[in-house]
Amino acid sequence: AQTVTQSQPEMSVQEAETVTLSCTYDTSESDYYLFWYKQPPSRQMILVIRQEAYKQQNATENRFSVNFQKAAKSFSLKISDSQLGDAAMYFCASHEYNFNKFYFGSGTKLNVKP
Amino acid sequence: GAGVSQTPSNKVTEKGKYVELRCDPISGHTALYWYRQSLGQGPEFLIYFQGTGAADDSGLPNDRFFAVRPEGSVSTLKIQRTERGDSAVYLCASSLGYGSNEQFFGPGTRLTVL
Repeated sequence: AQTVTQSQPEMSVQEAETVTLSCTYDTSESDYYLFWYKQPPSRQMILVIRQEAYKQQNATENRFSVNFQKAAKSFSLKISDSQLGDAAMYFCASHEYNFNKFYFGSGTKLNVKP
Repeated sequence: GAGVSQTPSNKVTEKGKYVELRCDPISGHTALYWYRQSLGQGPEFLIYFQGTGAADDSGLPNDRFFAVRPEGSVSTLKIQRTERGDSAVYLCASSLGYGSNEQFFGPGTRLTVL
């Protein structure tokens, strides 16, 4: 089984600034994926970015990028040029390929100040 | 409309009553997941179907919870003798199947047990 830990319950960022959300995980599997999901008040979980564990290159999606440190089991999300629409809960998650299960962290609430 | 749908969006019931929550996955998705999300927490795995069978039901909290997916498409989560502690948002997600790590989430059902 995997555990996913998000140690920042809440973060704030000024509009147009950069913010980094932290995530650590624990797994004994060699084949896994890591994700960041966004959940606005509408409750709809939206995939933000995905990282394959076997890839050393950090994933990027427009203003979103990750810092994947496999040895340290760390997977942080960087949001550049923050926008008001980025305000939401952000969840870090992992996927075990062999068991096809997903594990979620407890979330970080991101506030964006105009 | 190709997304995952869940009905009802909100359900209020009294302690001790029986409830059914429905999930309609994306057509062609063989894997279906149920999660429970308590206030301020991340989604907690309940059960995972691959086709019609429950591949992993290790997350169901007790025998009051049961889920079915008789034809490999729509799934129903059933909760007997509801308790106030069952109040949460119940999320459903689907994916293409084993080996696919991209989940698509529904909007959830908010269950309130009075």
